[in-house]
Amino acid sequence: EAGVAQSPRYKIIEKRQSVAFWCNPISGHATLYWYQQILGQGPKLLIQFQNNGVVDDSQLPKDRFSAERLKGVDSTLKIQPAKLEDSAVYLCASSALRDSSYEQYFGPGTRLTVT
Amino acid sequence: SQQGEEDPQALSIQEGENATMNCSYKTSINNLQWYRQNSGRGLVHLILIRSNEREKHSGRLRVTLDTSKKSSSLLITASRAADTASYFCATDARGSARQLTFGSGTQLTVLP
Repeated sequence: EAGVAQSPRYKIIEKRQSVAFWCNPISGHATLYWYQQILGQGPKLLIQFQNNGVVDDSQLPKDRFSAERLKGVDSTLKIQPAKLEDSAVYLCASSALRDSSYEQYFGPGTRLTVT
Repeated sequence: SQQGEEDPQALSIQEGENATMNCSYKTSINNLQWYRQNSGRGLVHLILIRSNEREKHSGRLRVTLDTSKKSSSLLITASRAADTASYFCATDARGSARQLTFGSGTQLTVLP
């Protein structure tokens, strides 16, 4: 089974520029998550989708961050405009919607550096 | 905000020794999970323990859960250099719609 794919792996931008990240979850996984992981910390949930609907985006800074999952499969996360404090690794994860399954499967992440 | 706090923040041991990491959390949970993250990589699920379980084993891993103290521990026996990584506990809180809240992690270094 193919894992969660993310691109790009690395991105360097200047502050006030925009950036987009892409995620392709494991086939058949209904739930998709975006996390932000600042160096030395654990991942922090930004947004959770179930199919193409948003379950929770309470921790997403909506003035600059947006995310979509139009067809219930791939997802994109956008930052516009970026700030220095957005430098972090952005992780995408997916999970199956079965009662017995609670594990999340993570992609390799996109390391964003804002200068 | 981070729900869990791992202790210690960093741990360095010799190959063959056992490594113990602790996690404390704040709210009632459905389950608690442990993940490993190698440098520059995504997280990998290691083991899940449900709120009605007290201990669980998987290979060289042993996890305990004390819901009265809101704490868990992860024991890695007979450690190997390949176990060098960051280890995170994550809680699936009751009513959270399968969301995980991660702790701050323990950086484990196993010296050959």
